[in-house]
Amino acid sequence: QVQLRESGPGLVKPSQTLSLSCTVSGGSINGPEYYWNWIRQSPGKGLEWIGYIYYNGNSYYNSSLKSRASISLGTSTTQFSLKLRSVTVADTAVYYCARFSPAYYFDYWGPGLLVTVSS
Amino acid sequence: EIVLTQFPDTLSVSPGGSATLSCRASQWIASSYLVWYQQKPGQAPRLVMYSTSNRAIGIPDRFSGSGSGTQFTLTISRLEPEDLAVYYCQQYGTSSLSFGGGTKVEIE
Repeated sequence: QVQLRESGPGLVKPSQTLSLSCTVSGGSINGPEYYWNWIRQSPGKGLEWIGYIYYNGNSYYNSSLKSRASISLGTSTTQFSLKLRSVTVADTAVYYCARFSPAYYFDYWGPGLLVTVSS
Repeated sequence: EIVLTQFPDTLSVSPGGSATLSCRASQWIASSYLVWYQQKPGQAPRLVMYSTSNRAIGIPDRFSGSGSGTQFTLTISRLEPEDLAVYYCQQYGTSSLSFGGGTKVEIE
């Protein structure tokens, strides 16, 4: 059974860089079948796709975040990461990592990690 | 990028009644690329419907999906208390994805 889990600081100061990792268990990200994604949800709001990375390192982003977001593969075959630069209070959200399947839907999600941007 | 607009924002339904949720796309979407999720408070979204009209594993047949092109619908019949949630549509496009703003289903 595939499981994903987000990790990282729960509090980030404005103007700093938010850095999160996603650890995948029960599977590997080193294969062509899946895209590995970051999605966020501001308190009381809807879901916002941030971007994804493919096993070969190619990454794609939501145009609204493209200038600040960066998704990378980890040093192991079971991790990938998100960096979001120059954060503001508007970046306060629950951040999810999720696997996107060949059937065009997210089939596995992490439980989510609340990140608060505050001084 | 394709924008998905969901309506209504909130749907109040009588117990045992039906709920019709709509998702409109700003551009044509292939039916294979339109998906619905259910999200309950404090939980990650759960897949409900994929490829417009295919129920995910464990989803009762009270849920049905339809639509094509730019208009898609999720219908929940014989509403039960466990169906209370926010429902999101999502589309896959070339190198991008997007979600609708969500429809909250509540008991009237």
